[in-house]
Amino acid sequence: KAGVTQTPRYLIKTRGQQVTLSCSPISGHRSVSWYQQTPGQGLQFLFEYFSETQRNKGNFPGRFSGRQFSNSRSEMNVSTLELGDSALYLCASSQGTGGPEGTQYFGPGTRLLVL
Amino acid sequence: GENVEQHPSTLSVQEGDSAVIKCTYSDSASNYFPWYKQELGKRPQLIIDIRSNVGEKKDQRIAVTLNKTAKHFSLHITETQPEDSAVYFCAAFAGSARQLTFGSGTQLTVLP
Repeated sequence: KAGVTQTPRYLIKTRGQQVTLSCSPISGHRSVSWYQQTPGQGLQFLFEYFSETQRNKGNFPGRFSGRQFSNSRSEMNVSTLELGDSALYLCASSQGTGGPEGTQYFGPGTRLLVL
Repeated sequence: GENVEQHPSTLSVQEGDSAVIKCTYSDSASNYFPWYKQELGKRPQLIIDIRSNVGEKKDQRIAVTLNKTAKHFSLHITETQPEDSAVYFCAAFAGSARQLTFGSGTQLTVLP
């Protein structure tokens, strides 16, 4: 099976702009989780989608949002970009909830640089 | 919510020696504990995981132990090789929260 894919791989934006990142999960996986990875904060959970519904959300401002489509592909959007949003954004897919019911497999990430 | 602490933050070992990375978690409801390896510029990759009804699991040179009473789990790598050099993350999953909480990572360097 093909692995998790993310597009684009790299992005450069300026403060105040918005950005949309895309994630295609492993075929048959219905859960997609998003994480922000930075050197200072490590891997932080953003949100999780399952069957087009957001089931859980991490401690991030409302500028971070997402959605999931009927084919399980997911997008996340960040509006009004700030310098501190520069990070590697990773998505991970799993068959179920992401716990014992389904191990999470990560995509290669989208590296976002905000200038 | 869940809090996962990971130690040490950096670890250097000689090739052939063993490496041990330790994590503690706070939520007694956590029931799944994966370990991920992330090489520079690459995605985190699952290397081993353990569930709360198991005390130890081995896969070739890698083993993980879990002490539910003390709420800590450890990764053991034996006969380390230069290709084991990477950042290792532990994580804990609490079904009630439906999210994976990661430790801060350990940079492992295996010296030839």
